[in-house]
Formats: sequence, structure tokens, C-alpha cells
Amino acid sequence: DTEVTQTPKHLVMGMTNKKSLKCEQHMGHRAMYWYKQKAKKPPELMFVYSYEKLSINESVPSRFSPECPNSSLLNLHLHALQPEDSALYLCASSQTRTSPSYNEQFFGPGTRLTVL
Amino acid sequence: AQSVTQLGSHVSVSEGALVLLRCNYSSSVPPYLFWYVQYPNQGLQLLLKYTSAATLVKGINGFEAEFKKSETSFHLTKPSAHMSDAAEYFCAVSLNAGKSTFGDGTTLTVKP
Repeated sequence: DTEVTQTPKHLVMGMTNKKSLKCEQHMGHRAMYWYKQKAKKPPELMFVYSYEKLSINESVPSRFSPECPNSSLLNLHLHALQPEDSALYLCASSQTRTSPSYNEQFFGPGTRLTVL
Repeated sequence: AQSVTQLGSHVSVSEGALVLLRCNYSSSVPPYLFWYVQYPNQGLQLLLKYTSAATLVKGINGFEAEFKKSETSFHLTKPSAHMSDAAEYFCAVSLNAGKSTFGDGTTLTVKP
């Protein structure tokens, strides 16, 4: 299984809502990533988890809260978002964070988030 | 610091023509370089990667790229374009820190 799955595919939420994005992989990867991608732009790194511990936070606002319950699952909890947070949210995984030969990242299909 | 520059935000070719997408990198140490493709409303898919084993790297869907240290380049080519190659292409560089830096992307259009 070389797939990263993300749910939901689409999400529309108001600025006062609380919602969560979910990402799952069963490749035995120990590094997982959240990216935000605006239209016609490259992915921007948000968070990196390594062995279920948060290792990189790219100064992301606290209205985004990541969680890694186990080595296969990655969540992104959303609260009090702004319309400018509307984007495609991509999850990725790789074998490990620190072994460069394995830095190839496997991406999920993304969640298209719209904040009203 | 590491970075990549993709020359040409839009490239248009005719079906059957050569595809050439340009990527130049900047890195203080030997880099690991990747090309990813993204189809509309999908995630990124790895086309190929350079990890210093060979300078000419073959990838999926008939794509290949050549690492040229003297030119700090890692251009992506395909001899004959298909309509299905129309997509967004990203070059990326990665070092040891688990962070990849992506180029701004090149939109490939294939005309019939």
C-alpha cells in the first residue's frame, strides 16, 4: 500500500466552526507533513512530525493545531479560521525526516478547504 | 540556504514535441533534487529524484532529468509530449533537515 489518504475531500466551514482534517498512511513511514497550497502556488510547509513528535512548526497561527495520535495518523484541527485560510491542504509522508535518501515524500490528494 | 528556480511559469508544446522544463538549484552542499507533477485538484506525485547515484535519472511516464553540477541545473525532459502530460510541475530540493523547498512551478500545456 503506497497511498496516503485524506478526508474529507472538500470542507466548507464558517469562521466560528471547529473542524478536523485527517490523513492516514500505512507505509510504515515515520515522518508526516502538513502543507498548505494556494492556487497556482507551490506547497508551503506547515508542520512536520517525526516519530509522532512535532519537529517543525513553520510559525503557523494557533488556529491550526496538528496532532499525531500514532505513526499512521495525522490530524489537523481547525478553529476560528479566516477566509484567507481557504486553500488545498496536503498531507505527505516519508520514511524518516533525517535520512536524505528517503526524503521522497508521498502526497495525499488533499482537502479543499473553503472558509466563509 | 537551499532554493530552486524554475524558469518559465508556463510552457506550451504541441503533442509529440519535446518537453523541456527548467530547474536551477542553489545549495551549499550536494543536494537531493526531485521533480513532482500535480494534476488539477490532486496531490503531488513523484516523477523522479536525484540522489547522487547517477546524473541521468529516468522517471515515470517517459520523463528524465540530468543533474549538471557545473550548471547547477536539473532540467526535466520528455522526447514526445502527450495530451495527458498537461499539468503543473514542481522542482524541489531537499537537504538533511526534512524540509523540501519547492520551486514556483511550471504549467505545461500540450496543444493537439
